[in-house]
Amino acid sequence: EAQVTQNPRYLITVTGKKLTVTCSQNMNHEYMSWYRQDPGLGLRQIYYSMNVEVTDKGDVPEGYKVSRKEKRNFPLILESPSPNQTSLYFCASSLMVPNEKLFFGSGTQLSVL
Amino acid sequence: AQTVTQSQPEMSVQEAETVTLSCTYDTSESDYYLFWYKQPPSRQMILVIRQEAYKQQNATENRFSVNFQKAAKSFSLKISDSQLGDAAMYFCAYRDAWGQGAQKLVFGQGTRLTINP
Repeated sequence: EAQVTQNPRYLITVTGKKLTVTCSQNMNHEYMSWYRQDPGLGLRQIYYSMNVEVTDKGDVPEGYKVSRKEKRNFPLILESPSPNQTSLYFCASSLMVPNEKLFFGSGTQLSVL
Repeated sequence: AQTVTQSQPEMSVQEAETVTLSCTYDTSESDYYLFWYKQPPSRQMILVIRQEAYKQQNATENRFSVNFQKAAKSFSLKISDSQLGDAAMYFCAYRDAWGQGAQKLVFGQGTRLTINP
């Protein structure tokens, strides 16, 4: 089954404790991206990757890191989480053509205390 | 920068009736794509319908259709014969066809749709 797999689904952590949210896709997609969803703001792009070893900032990259060492994986790293990073996070992937369907993971609800 | 605005935070409709969700956007581009996504309580993001800006014909997918007004920069979603399973948060989204803006979706704030039995 074609899918984007995110883990964990829920995460509660404390300020400053490094964490990684994993994302993996099985569709051989070149394009992958991370979004955060906040009430009243919709979804906003954090980072994206057009291929292996090619990543770039989205609209809200501060406090986040990503890596793309393999085509299928695109982890999101919070090296020193803060309470303002409490949010619902989505990983997504698609073919490179911009009108192609964007496949989303099931989301990670992160709470930073 | 491109922006997307959904001015209705919440909407409700009786089951089997028709409801229209509004979306406006701002762009200086002539070539782009517009989308409506549905997010049920499961949090999954589900593509409902998409529209290419160069196509004048409005997109339809079964009970879902759009009213795309390019000059007015308006992209509303009409749901006919509303069903209980249509209850969800709906997001309007925009994507450039070319260049840097093609690498992201710009989302509106969302409209929470309630279906009354």
